[in-house]
Amino acid sequence: KAGVTQTPRYLIKTRGQQVTLSCSPISGHRSVSWYQQTPGQGLQFLFEYFSETQRNKGNFPGRFSGRQFSNSRSEMNVSTLELGDSALYLCASSLTGFLTEAFFGQGTRLTVV
Amino acid sequence: DAKTTQPPSMDCAEGRAANLPCNHSTISGNEYVYWYRQIHSQGPQYIIHGLKNNETNEMASLIITEDRKSSTLILPHATLRDTAVYYCIGGDSGNTPLVFGKGTRLSVIA
Repeated sequence: KAGVTQTPRYLIKTRGQQVTLSCSPISGHRSVSWYQQTPGQGLQFLFEYFSETQRNKGNFPGRFSGRQFSNSRSEMNVSTLELGDSALYLCASSLTGFLTEAFFGQGTRLTVV
Repeated sequence: DAKTTQPPSMDCAEGRAANLPCNHSTISGNEYVYWYRQIHSQGPQYIIHGLKNNETNEMASLIITEDRKSSTLILPHATLRDTAVYYCIGGDSGNTPLVFGKGTRLSVIA
């Protein structure tokens, strides 16, 4: 079966701009969660969506937002980009919830200049 | 969420068993132990999880102590492709986001 697909794979943006990242989960998976990975902070949880509702949220500023569509595809938006937002953004899908055998995408590498 | 402690790095000879320890002394009765690994430049990959009993799948075995304060992930015949960062995570299934620590960097050496 097809895995988790994240687009785009690489992105370069300028400070102050906004960006939208996309994640297509495995067919039938209703839970999509997002993570940020940086060398300094490691992997950090951003938020999780289940059946179009945000179920959990990590400790990130309101500039980070997301949504999930009826087909379970999810988007993550970051507004007013800062240099510190440069990171690998990973999306994971699972059937019912985060921890039960989550499948990760390859990630989107965002560079803010 | 259960706080976990893992050694920062380990080496293992190719073909030998890799035993990766994890301490989770604060784990509560309904919290599972999950293992993921991340090979360089890829997204994390689920390996195995367990609650009380030992578990085995095609990738690895998970041995959980009787008091549930620690566990060991066993890769029975490590290969070079098993070189990765391994994360041990404690959490309540379905309700807790994955809280990744620093993990153990396993290097499999030929």
